Amino acid sequence: QLQLQESGPGLVKPSETLSLTCIVSGDPISRSSHYWGWIRQSPGKGLEWIGSIYYSGNTYYNPSLKSRVTISVETSKNQCSLRLSSVTAADTAVYYCTRLGILTGIDFWGQGTLVTVSS
Amino acid sequence: DIQMTQSPSSLSASVGDRVTITCRASQGIRNDLGWYQQKPGKAPKRLIYAASSLQSGVPSRFSGSGSGTEFTLTISSLQPEDFATYYCLQHNTYPYTFGQGTKLEIK
Repeated sequence: QLQLQESGPGLVKPSETLSLTCIVSGDPISRSSHYWGWIRQSPGKGLEWIGSIYYSGNTYYNPSLKSRVTISVETSKNQCSLRLSSVTAADTAVYYCTRLGILTGIDFWGQGTLVTVSS
Repeated sequence: DIQMTQSPSSLSASVGDRVTITCRASQGIRNDLGWYQQKPGKAPKRLIYAASSLQSGVPSRFSGSGSGTEFTLTISSLQPEDFATYYCLQHNTYPYTFGQGTKLEIK
């Protein structure tokens, strides 16, 4: 059974870097039929696509965040990571790890983790 | 970016009602659209993929239609567990974009 488990600090100071890890179980992250991504949802707001990565390392980032975002995969650990630099209060959100089918969009979500940016 | 305009933003309905939610894309996206249901404090769950294909395990009262720029999600007979927020997502062109959401409330 597929599980995506996000982990990382729940509180990050302004101007610092947010770092999250998604541990994937029940599916090899190197499977060619899927790629992996991150979505966020600010409190009481809608959903924002952050970016996606294929196991080979090809990445696709939202231009609104591109200068600050890095998504990576570590196939040996079956995990995907997100780094977002120079955070502000506007980056406070629940961050979701997701799996995407090559042609079918997001088909599975992690439970999400709340990250608050505050001093 | 492709804008996804979802309507209505909120909807009040009764158990047993038929409801329809619409998403319009600012440019053609073929059928590269999914519908998601989100309950408070939970992650979204996919209901429909490829605009009209029912996700495995999802009740058949949910259906999707459309192609190109206009898409609909229909719930044929609302059940108490269906009261939630619904989102569409286009995955035709990066950056992928969501509709603003439709909050479905009990009348």
